[in-house]
Amino acid sequence: DQQVKQNSPSLSVQEGRISILNCDYTNSMFDYFLWYKKYPAEGPTFLISISSIKDKNEDGRFTVFLNKSAKHLSLHIVPSQPGDSAVYFCAASADGGADGLTFGKGTHLIIQP
Amino acid sequence: DVKVTQSSRYLVKRTGEKVFLECVQDMDHENMFWYRQDPGLGLRLIYFSYDVKMKEKGDIPEGYSVSREKKERFSLILESASTNQTSMYLCASSLLDLLAAELGTDTQYFGPGTRLTVL
Repeated sequence: DQQVKQNSPSLSVQEGRISILNCDYTNSMFDYFLWYKKYPAEGPTFLISISSIKDKNEDGRFTVFLNKSAKHLSLHIVPSQPGDSAVYFCAASADGGADGLTFGKGTHLIIQP
Repeated sequence: DVKVTQSSRYLVKRTGEKVFLECVQDMDHENMFWYRQDPGLGLRLIYFSYDVKMKEKGDIPEGYSVSREKKERFSLILESASTNQTSMYLCASSLLDLLAAELGTDTQYFGPGTRLTVL
């Protein structure tokens, strides 16, 4: 039973345009959500997070939106750059991540020149 | 900067061997985690520990055990390696910080990963 779903295995976006990565979750106990970026043969690196008390969090080119009623979050990257090409994982937890994170399967973002 | 290191980047073992994967963090974090990453399955939690000598099962603990004798070190043990344990293994650490979670700041930092192949 997949509690965190990223339904798009891959996404191709032109350089300079907006990239929108989507994530859905089923566990209503989740109260903390994170996005990680992963290059091949490296560990995931933290990108941005949001707690359930907010509906938006912004950091430079990255914005995460949370819609609790729909159990949906999205990551917006604008403008997209070639270095953004990577696999993006959505992750969620209850209790601030103390019991580990539940990850989605990832979305491979490809930025085309 | 938080540093999480893993003892090996690449490891090749034979079926039935006992395998130790070591992870060390230098930020005095309470929590440490072991995940495995497989294509099409994302990252899945194997075990975690929130204190020395404490351990909790994650989502896929079967075939694994862990050891946490010191706060900075968390070991993953494959008692008898099998081919279906060929995977990328990722260690992570975090503060036990509910306030950080409420503020929306990250709590988990990952190591570079160990690519384990079991023949």
